[in-house]
Amino acid sequence: QAGLTQPPSVSKGLRQTATLTCTGNSNNVGNQGAAWLQQHQGHPPKLLCYRNNNRPSGISERLSASRSGNTASLTITGLQPEDEADYYCSAWDRSLSAWVFGGGTKLTVL
Amino acid sequence: QVQLVQSGAEVKKPGASVKISCKASGYTFTSHYMHWVRQAPGQGLEWMGIINPGGGSPTYAQKFQGRVTMTRDTSMSTVYMELSSLRSEDTAVYYCAREAGDFDYWGQGTLVTVSS
Repeated sequence: QAGLTQPPSVSKGLRQTATLTCTGNSNNVGNQGAAWLQQHQGHPPKLLCYRNNNRPSGISERLSASRSGNTASLTITGLQPEDEADYYCSAWDRSLSAWVFGGGTKLTVL
Repeated sequence: QVQLVQSGAEVKKPGASVKISCKASGYTFTSHYMHWVRQAPGQGLEWMGIINPGGGSPTYAQKFQGRVTMTRDTSMSTVYMELSSLRSEDTAVYYCAREAGDFDYWGQGTLVTVSS
């Protein structure tokens, strides 16, 4: 099944801003947006943002999500060491009648 | 608080089947669908399917059609995922994840190793 496209890696300095992207098509990201998940090594994923760009309770205000056309973005400001993790986007694909994930972006905080 | 607790690691031979459980607590079990997602070593997330604990037929990803079976036991607030005809490529961590708009709570994962 076709997935979403994410850059494999992004590196930014401490306290800088990182913007992660997730590109799909009109049947998934362009239709209902994408959710964002964070995964630290050896742990299950954690939901950071819903497809409607809202954050679950307890998620830092340093994170914000947006969408333009078929591309969703996650912006993390004031990068901290604990932000170093893998980030995945997910979306419902109406043509496949399936959920799809991006391949993940490894964020390195220098 | 919402918790999803999965069964322990499994080691299986090629051709065998594995059945993993996911016990939910902290919310009304039948109010939220449950996903199953897997992650091969060093790889990304792969959606396997979704089941409605309240009833109805599960929906499976095309890739797993014919090999996966998702079931529920409402008396135990538990969902199960059985994968048959295992091969080495099925070696992965398998997760259950609650559906509440998106994958809002995840189990701790169950490592399934397929090896002869």
